[in-house]
Amino acid sequence: ILNVEQSPQSLHVQEGDSTNFTCSFPSSNFYALHWYRWETAKSPEALFVMTLNGDEKKKGRISATLNTKEGYSYLYIKGSQPEDSATYLCAFMTGNQFYFGTGTSLTVIP
Amino acid sequence: NAGVTQTPKFRVLKTGQSMTLLCAQDMNHEYMYWYRQDPGMGLRLIHYSVGEGTTAKGEVPDGYNVSRLKKQNFLLGLESAAPSQTSVYFCASRNPGPDEKLFFGSGTQLSVL
Repeated sequence: ILNVEQSPQSLHVQEGDSTNFTCSFPSSNFYALHWYRWETAKSPEALFVMTLNGDEKKKGRISATLNTKEGYSYLYIKGSQPEDSATYLCAFMTGNQFYFGTGTSLTVIP
Repeated sequence: NAGVTQTPKFRVLKTGQSMTLLCAQDMNHEYMYWYRQDPGMGLRLIHYSVGEGTTAKGEVPDGYNVSRLKKQNFLLGLESAAPSQTSVYFCASRNPGPDEKLFFGSGTQLSVL
């Protein structure tokens, strides 16, 4: 069983604040690192899929970076909005399997 | 385009009863997965399939069986339900390749009394 850790577990920020989360994963047998956004009462939806060391992805105000050698990825949200409130999951892919972290729950206070 | 559909959405079982959860996808994906979600834990893989007629065990396969008789369907069976199997179950599908993302169903809330 592989260990994928996310921090912090939860986060409350004011609207307009920028924030970031961390995902730590094993540095061996790396295939890909996925980030998913999970809103309450909905299904997880993919934000980013990163496969190469040094990858940087961006979608609007959200971006992510990847360091496969040291086994971590950061997710950044710039200028948080209430609609960003969700749980953000990372998933470490090795072979055909995914190992998920427990997520970071983000609440953006208007 | 329905994506990934799970049925039922909710179910209550008594200990020892059996049931089957159905996952259907209309995206022609090769790979399908069953996960369970428990409080304080990440999604944990129960079983998965890399193609029609194939299945493989994940992290927590005990007490579950699966079948992939048709490419679009992946069934998860509980032969004799136990309270420890109370959980939210998610199905997901994707195509092969590290760049391919997972598409999730809406989940099945199962309670075993």
